[in-house]
Amino acid sequence: EVQLVQSGAEMKKPGESLKISCKGSGYTFSNHWIGWVRQMPGKGLELMGIVYPADSAIRYSPSFQGQVTISADNSINTAYLQWSRLKASDTAMYYCARSKGDYKSRFDSWGQGTLVTVSS
Amino acid sequence: DIQMTQSPSSLSAYVGDRVTITCQASQDIINNLNWYQQKPGKAPKLLIYDASNLETGVPSRFSGSGSGTDFTFTISSLQPEDVATYYCQQYDHLPTFGQGTKVDIK
Repeated sequence: EVQLVQSGAEMKKPGESLKISCKGSGYTFSNHWIGWVRQMPGKGLELMGIVYPADSAIRYSPSFQGQVTISADNSINTAYLQWSRLKASDTAMYYCARSKGDYKSRFDSWGQGTLVTVSS
Repeated sequence: DIQMTQSPSSLSAYVGDRVTITCQASQDIINNLNWYQQKPGKAPKLLIYDASNLETGVPSRFSGSGSGTDFTFTISSLQPEDVATYYCQQYDHLPTFGQGTKVDIK
């Protein structure tokens, strides 16, 4: 069974750094792109970027380029999303999702979500 | 970015009704479109891929159609468990989502 398990909820202050994770199991992790999707409170889904664990190729959505860093460690089947300086507007639920094909495909399996709250 | 415009943004219907949601792309995306269901407090779930293919295990009351720039998602007979927000997503370029359609029961 394909599973993506994300790290737990985080409460941070503005200006702090953060790295959240997404661990895949039940499939060959290196062979599938992993996307990160933001959902702000009461709002829709936004793809932030997508990483290919086999070679760490990354595609960022224009709105998120330079705002976050996406990475993957193929040796431990884990993808990451990190911020160097959080803002209150980063408060959101963040999902990782597996792409069925290449980075232009369907997301057929999703993590449970990581809630990030940024408040002073 | 390819912009995806869904309508309506919300709807309310009776159990057993036929429900239709539309999604329009800002440019031709052939049939590179998926539909997802997101129930409150849960992660999204893939329902339809490549515009009209039903994901394994998804009830047959869900269907999709369309090509080019105009797409339709239909629930043939609305059930109480279908209360959710539905999103279209294009993948002709780096994926983008529609803004969502919230469906509830009258």
